[in-house]
Formats: sequence, C-alpha cells, structure tokens
Amino acid sequence: QKEVEQNSGPLSVPEGAIASLNCTYSDRGSQSFFWYRQYSGKSPELIMFIYSNGDKEDGRFTAQLNKASQYVSLLIRDSQPSDSATYLCAVNVGPPSGANSKLTFGKGITLSVRP
Amino acid sequence: ETGVTQSPTHLIKTRGQQVTLRCSSQSGHNTVSWYQQALGQGPQFIFQYYREEENGRGNFPPRFSGLQFPNYSSELNVNALELDDSALYLCASSLAQGNIQYFGAGTRLSVL
Repeated sequence: QKEVEQNSGPLSVPEGAIASLNCTYSDRGSQSFFWYRQYSGKSPELIMFIYSNGDKEDGRFTAQLNKASQYVSLLIRDSQPSDSATYLCAVNVGPPSGANSKLTFGKGITLSVRP
Repeated sequence: ETGVTQSPTHLIKTRGQQVTLRCSSQSGHNTVSWYQQALGQGPQFIFQYYREEENGRGNFPPRFSGLQFPNYSSELNVNALELDDSALYLCASSLAQGNIQYFGAGTRLSVL
C-alpha cells in the first residue's frame, strides 16, 4: 500500500466550477498536510497547508482534513484555466513546529479547467 | 519566487559519471531537503540537512550524498550515474522550527 494515494484523475472541469481533489494517507501518526501545485515543467508551489481536523479556507481554495478517515482534500472554487496544473498532496509525520520534516508525496492529480 | 535557487537548471551526463547539484536556501532558512521527481511521479525524499549534518534519509543508495555549508547552502552529489537517475532534482528549504518547505526551480538531469 502506497503511503500517500491520489487515485482520482486526470480531472477536467468547466471554468467556474468547483474542482475537488482527494488524497488518502496510510500513516495514522501523520500530523501535517500540504497541497502543492505544479505547472508542467516547473517546480512545486505551496498553496495550502492544514494541521487540524476540519476546513481551512484561503481565497478560492479550501483544504479539508479528516484524520479519523486518513483523508485530506482540496476544493478549488470558481475554477479558472490558470488553475490547470498537477496538484500534489504531501504528508509529514512530524509536528508542525518540529524539524526532521520529510514530506511524502502522492503522484499528483492533473486538473484541466476548460474555458 | 521562493528565494530558493538551484544550479544548474539542466544537465546532461553519461552513465557512470558523477554530478554535483547546488542549492541556496531562502534567507533565514537553515534546513535543506533534496527530492527526486521522475516523470509522472511525485517527488521522493532523498535526504535533509540541518546544521551541516544529515538529518534524515530516504530510500536512496549511498552513491547519493550531500553537504550543507555554514551559510546553509547545500550540494547533492550522485556518483556512478545510472539511466534511472534521469529526473528533476528539487531542493527545498525550511526553518528548523517549522516544517513548511519551499522549493527551488529544480535541476533537470538527463543520463544518457
């Protein structure tokens, strides 16, 4: 079983729609969760992080964490063609304030927003 | 821009050669992590450096080695290159007191 799984994809949504990206993880001790966006040929760019159960909103982005279900998701509201990219889920077993921060990534979900 | 700089941006080597990749961390960041990203995959953790010491290592052979300098910049060295080493190599910097990592633009290595 892979440590971080992103199985749904590629995903195509029309402009203005809500894109929902899902991620599951296997290590129950995981404490920190990240979403990175990666445009083709570029490096990952941090867009959200979440440490506590529930929702965290930042502009058009909402991260949702459910530690009991070992599930983290990213919602993108009012999707724009510029949101077309690969979205990487990353998990860190370490605490938010600690060192030794090894990120374990999923393979990513490719999102395409149709004009 | 994250303030993390990597050099070179592209590199072509032949099998068996050695390569050194370089990374300058974001100002104020004292921890550097290296990742390998093969085409179509997520980044895989190679190792992390903190205070010039290796502070965690992923499932990579000893021919992958690194250094961190007093100014927190870092090098990744790969010996005896293999075809499967062809990938995007990413450096990320962070504060030791926090685990949010910011990536540089990466070095794309091609091994022929």
